[in-house]
Amino acid sequence: GAVVSQHPSRVICKSGTSVKIECRSLDFQATTMFWYRQFPKQSLMLMATSNEGSKATYEQGVEKDKFLINHASLTLSTLTVTSAHPEDSSFYICSARVGTSTTGELFFGEGSRLTVL
Amino acid sequence: GQQVMQIPQYQHVQEGEDFTTYCNSSTTLSNIQWYKQRPGGHPVFLIQLVKSGEVKKQKRLTFQFGEAKKNSSLHITATQTTDVGTYFCASAQGSSASKIIFGSGTRLSIRP
Repeated sequence: GAVVSQHPSRVICKSGTSVKIECRSLDFQATTMFWYRQFPKQSLMLMATSNEGSKATYEQGVEKDKFLINHASLTLSTLTVTSAHPEDSSFYICSARVGTSTTGELFFGEGSRLTVL
Repeated sequence: GQQVMQIPQYQHVQEGEDFTTYCNSSTTLSNIQWYKQRPGGHPVFLIQLVKSGEVKKQKRLTFQFGEAKKNSSLHITATQTTDVGTYFCASAQGSSASKIIFGSGTRLSIRP
């Protein structure tokens, strides 16, 4: 199956700093990538849909100025958590579909566990 | 948007026993997907169901999509310790049904 790589896998930062998480599709092109957030023992909550070459579409309640998403190429999307606070500590996971398909399975990255001190 | 409710939240079974998790929606779903997430891992796609009344099998796993396309189930026969994890159903939503929204998940633990 298709491979999605996410980096870093773990990051610890101080409150007030910004953290960038990268999501790469290694062996396929992804027009659209999705960013999810998962708190311990909870489900995956969709944060935003990242579209190559255009602005991301954010879900209701997700601050677009706090969670900056850039999808500059067909193989890379980045999520930047700006001015991070302890409540932003979570597991962030990206996913993608192959090509321009709007249906079908999602391939997930390994996830990035953010801890804000 | 649509909400997909999943039950039970937790299930603890003896190895060898069967396990079933259910997803229910108040509205008709275009399709339903199932994912498994091992502890500490990321979700891995298991299957997608599209047709009304569809049944698919993968070894000990049986997936069903209801006739009204409002519910789905995943049944595992004779559980093994490798089945441990959280099972999520997910449905396509949005104007082009392009984004995937996940159910609350069922966490399966197994007594050896």
